[in-house]
Amino acid sequence: DTAVSQTPKYLVTQMGNDKSIKCEQNLGHDTMYWYKQDSKKFLKIMFSYNNKELIINETVPNRFSPKSPDKAHLNLHINSLELGDSAVYFCASSQDSTYGYTFGSGTRLTVV
Amino acid sequence: RKEVEQDPGPFNVPEGATVAFNCTYSNSASQSFFWYRQDCRKEPKLLMSVYSSGNEDGRFTAQLNRASQYISLLIRDSKLSDSATYLCVVINQAGTALIFGKGTTLSVSS
Repeated sequence: DTAVSQTPKYLVTQMGNDKSIKCEQNLGHDTMYWYKQDSKKFLKIMFSYNNKELIINETVPNRFSPKSPDKAHLNLHINSLELGDSAVYFCASSQDSTYGYTFGSGTRLTVV
Repeated sequence: RKEVEQDPGPFNVPEGATVAFNCTYSNSASQSFFWYRQDCRKEPKLLMSVYSSGNEDGRFTAQLNRASQYISLLIRDSKLSDSATYLCVVINQAGTALIFGKGTTLSVSS
């Protein structure tokens, strides 16, 4: 039973399109995150939600909008996709940051 | 200064070797530290937390030096299956998110 699941696993789309990535966790954690890992493998936080409330909103273009309908779900919608958005997007969850995170398997987004 | 800095490697070692990775962090107020492991095209997975007194988990030993803001990971008796990227991770100043280093790549060969 997957603890943090993301869909889709792969996403290839054209510039200018709008796409969404979904994430669900069944661990009962209160906090969920979106991280971006670029081509240089650098993993950087984008957003964090605690029990549906936005906690962290790093310097991310407004084209990226997270949505948390409940504490088990955190989705990421991206408008007007650009080539530079190509990356692997990881969802994660934690009960308490001091215990580390559990990551989903990632969504590999390729913008062509 | 970057928040978390690591030597990117790669470290190429034979099976059975002992290898050490180092990491420095910029926020002296950080309270939580971790090592994560990431295999190629996979998600990061928690390897171990790092405690002030140092801690060991089998062949893996983690050390923390708060005065120098320095974290280390020692792997003894390397196995082929240890080949991966090792990520040094520090909690941010607000305690609300983990900050990842760029990772150190290890390749263990037979």
